Amino acid sequence: GNSVTQMEGPVTLSEEAFLTINCTYTATGYPSLFWYVQYPGEGLQLLLKATKADDKGSNKGFEATYRKETTSFHLEKGSVQVSDSAVYFCALVSGGYQKVTFGTGTKLQVIP
Amino acid sequence: SAVISQKPSRDICQRGTSLTIQCQVDSQVTMMFWYRQQPGQSLTLIATANQGSEATYESGFVIDKFPISRPNLTFSTLTVSNMSPEDSSIYLCSVEEGTGVYDGYTFGSGTRLTVV
Repeated sequence: GNSVTQMEGPVTLSEEAFLTINCTYTATGYPSLFWYVQYPGEGLQLLLKATKADDKGSNKGFEATYRKETTSFHLEKGSVQVSDSAVYFCALVSGGYQKVTFGTGTKLQVIP
Repeated sequence: SAVISQKPSRDICQRGTSLTIQCQVDSQVTMMFWYRQQPGQSLTLIATANQGSEATYESGFVIDKFPISRPNLTFSTLTVSNMSPEDSSIYLCSVEEGTGVYDGYTFGSGTRLTVV
């Protein structure tokens, strides 16, 4: 079946540091890949997505590249801000099972 | 994208009682989805609710425990019945962002349920 593996959190960074949150997946077919963000006290929001190999999703300074050869979709940001503190979920949808499979989430804390 | 209002935002309930969670969407949507997020874990799909038909439940979830209503295209409720401490979780409703599953999803802000 489908699965998503994310790096364990929490991740604590200083403001303006570089962020990488690792995500790898197992899926049947050719999945679409997503990153969601959950700010404190709020629901999940779609952050970015990529629908085919080598696509790069980007939004709000965050980027992730769909790497089919390594089955990865790592989230990166060049300079994090305190306002980026949240829980980040990697997720996928594949054609064989049209439901979303989520990773366990990675909590990011950015300190001034 | 759609905006979802979910309530209550949190509740503390006695075991054996039931709680109904409401989700209101600001646009008409065909399908609404209910998820459970247990402490420290990922989201698990409970059921898919289509207007005018019975909800479709995922493995491990049953209608008697989690009855769902979907009276129109903008509203749905999930009831957590005969609660036990194991039901303590965050419950979220969700709708598709665009025209299909590959466009991503919008979520409500969640209901944090504690059963004592």
